Amino acid sequence: AQSVSQHNHHVILSEAASLELGCNYSYGGTVNLFWYVQYPGQHLQLLLKYFSGDPLVKGIKGFEAEFIKSKFSFNLRKPSVQWSDTAEYFCAVNDGELVFGTGTRLLVSP
Amino acid sequence: NAGVTQTPKFRILKIGQSMTLQCTQDMNHNYMYWYRQDPGMGLKLIYYSVGAGITDKGEVPNGYNVSRSTTEDFPLRLELAAPSQTSVYFCASSYSEGEQFFGPGTRLTVL
Repeated sequence: AQSVSQHNHHVILSEAASLELGCNYSYGGTVNLFWYVQYPGQHLQLLLKYFSGDPLVKGIKGFEAEFIKSKFSFNLRKPSVQWSDTAEYFCAVNDGELVFGTGTRLLVSP
Repeated sequence: NAGVTQTPKFRILKIGQSMTLQCTQDMNHNYMYWYRQDPGMGLKLIYYSVGAGITDKGEVPNGYNVSRSTTEDFPLRLELAAPSQTSVYFCASSYSEGEQFFGPGTRLTVL
């Protein structure tokens, strides 16, 4: 079965710093890739998704992610974070079943 | 559209009690899912359904049951609550195997 690794469990940044969150999945084939965000006390919301085509995907709120097939990776990036980006971020891979990573808690200090 | 709704939002159970977590979606999605979220563990799939009358076990189904009599509803049943079932439960739905839409969650504590 597929597994998803998010190497950073906790990240602390200052506002305006750049963000990159790592996500690797265990094996290839045809996969759909997702990043979800969970703001404090709220449910999961989709940030962006990759099904096919351009491997650089742009999502909401200035987030983007790059699918690198050879590295089984789908890292999330944002050039300049804001305090309101404080949340937990989950990478997920679907190859017939949606499998989530364990999440990365991001704290952005003003 | 209300999207995916869950009730209750919070619940405290005693060991051995039973309860049903309700989930309803109004997007006419075929696929519905139940997850539990534990700190540092991400989301684990409990059960899922690809359509009315069809349910399948996920990664962590023990201690739970589901039914899917209609497209809209996908209740999750705990028959004999145990402390290990203390968690936040999320219901989700999707049109196919694409983007899943999540409900607001039910925070359950078993004492």
